[in-house]
Amino acid sequence: GIQVEQSPPDLILQEGANSTLRCNFSDSVNNLQWFHQNPWGQLINLFYIPSGTKQNGRLSATTVATERYSLLYISSSQTTDSGVYFCAVGNWEYGNKLVFGAGTILRVKS
Amino acid sequence: GAGVSQSPSNKVTEKGKDVELRCDPISGHTALYWYRQSLGQGLEFLIYFQGNSAPDKSGLPSDRFSAERTGGSVSTLTIQRTQQEDSAVYLCASSLNSGPYNEQFFGPGTRLTVL
Repeated sequence: GIQVEQSPPDLILQEGANSTLRCNFSDSVNNLQWFHQNPWGQLINLFYIPSGTKQNGRLSATTVATERYSLLYISSSQTTDSGVYFCAVGNWEYGNKLVFGAGTILRVKS
Repeated sequence: GAGVSQSPSNKVTEKGKDVELRCDPISGHTALYWYRQSLGQGLEFLIYFQGNSAPDKSGLPSDRFSAERTGGSVSTLTIQRTQQEDSAVYLCASSLNSGPYNEQFFGPGTRLTVL
């Protein structure tokens, strides 16, 4: 089955710093989502981005489907950005079952 | 509007007992998915329903796990004869359908602890 790798596994930032999280996947996909898991375990939708670039406030994401990777950019990080970031991919031809990466644990220090 | 809801939020049970976990998808969403998150395995797919089609059970780890979706809405995941390795957070998600351009939205999860 498809493999999803996220890097880095852990990241510690000073408040105000920028960061880039990466997601590599091993096969063609037509669904890709980025999530933030908050301290209570809730998965918060950040982006639905099977291709192209999107921006939402301090966050933006780019997916290059032909090269099988996606990037999540966090600018001017805040302590509330702390948590685990997951990339998940799927293929709607197979029911869109999401395959998750192992996540990036982000800690933003004040 | 209301998001995906799950109940109970926490469940503690003894090894060997049966448990039922409930999921209420977003109104109008025809696709419903169950996943689980455990320390050793990360987030993994269990089963999905699309409308009235037969469910895709390819992710269920054993025949002790089953799920139903009644009336195309509420779903129940049942684990029979629970084992300690079943301890995990069980997450439900829904989307408008399982075709293109469909984003999945997750519920808050049920944390299952098997003693």
